[in-house]
Amino acid sequence: QQQVKQSPQSLIVQKGGISIINCAYENTAFDYFPWYQQFPGKGPALLIAIRPDVSEKKEGRFTISFNKSAKQFSLHIMDSQPGDSATYFCAAIGSARQLTFGSGTQLTVLP
Amino acid sequence: ETGVTQTPRHLVMGMTNKKSLKCEQHLGHNAMYWYKQSAKKPLELMFVYNFKEQTENNSVPSRFSPECPNSSHLFLHLHTLQPEDSALYLCASSQAGDRAGNTIYFGEGSWLTVV
Repeated sequence: QQQVKQSPQSLIVQKGGISIINCAYENTAFDYFPWYQQFPGKGPALLIAIRPDVSEKKEGRFTISFNKSAKQFSLHIMDSQPGDSATYFCAAIGSARQLTFGSGTQLTVLP
Repeated sequence: ETGVTQTPRHLVMGMTNKKSLKCEQHLGHNAMYWYKQSAKKPLELMFVYNFKEQTENNSVPSRFSPECPNSSHLFLHLHTLQPEDSALYLCASSQAGDRAGNTIYFGEGSWLTVV
């Protein structure tokens, strides 16, 4: 049973556009929501993370929006660049203190 | 360089072979993990070690056998694998307890192909 559902599976965006990746969770015990970025041939790397007591967190061009009542959170990449092309994973941590990952979104930013 | 080093990066093995994957972390962490990454599937947690003690075995078949001799090293011993075990195996580390805010650092993975 997948506890974190991620969409879309793949996304193509023009350079300068906004990339939006969505995740939804079921377990209300989750209390920390990181996003990971993975380039081909590399392991996932932490990109940005949010706690459920805030609705938005911004770091440079990357923003997480969090809707606790809807149990949804999303990653927005502003002014998307070809170098942002990678696979993005949302994740959640709950009382068991283990990461539960979404299925990933393969982002391609066209030059 | 993430501070988590995995070897070998690529491994091809037959179904009757015995091989091992090695992971070493240079971050001073005391929790280490094995994850499996297959195409179009979520990252799957396999094993967790906290302070060298196994605290999680996520229903992993016995043909995968982990070993954690100390807080810096983690092995995954492989024996009589199946072709469906072909995947990227990722090692990771963090501070023990994986509390919210503790970052998990991943290695670059070992690509395993079972023929």
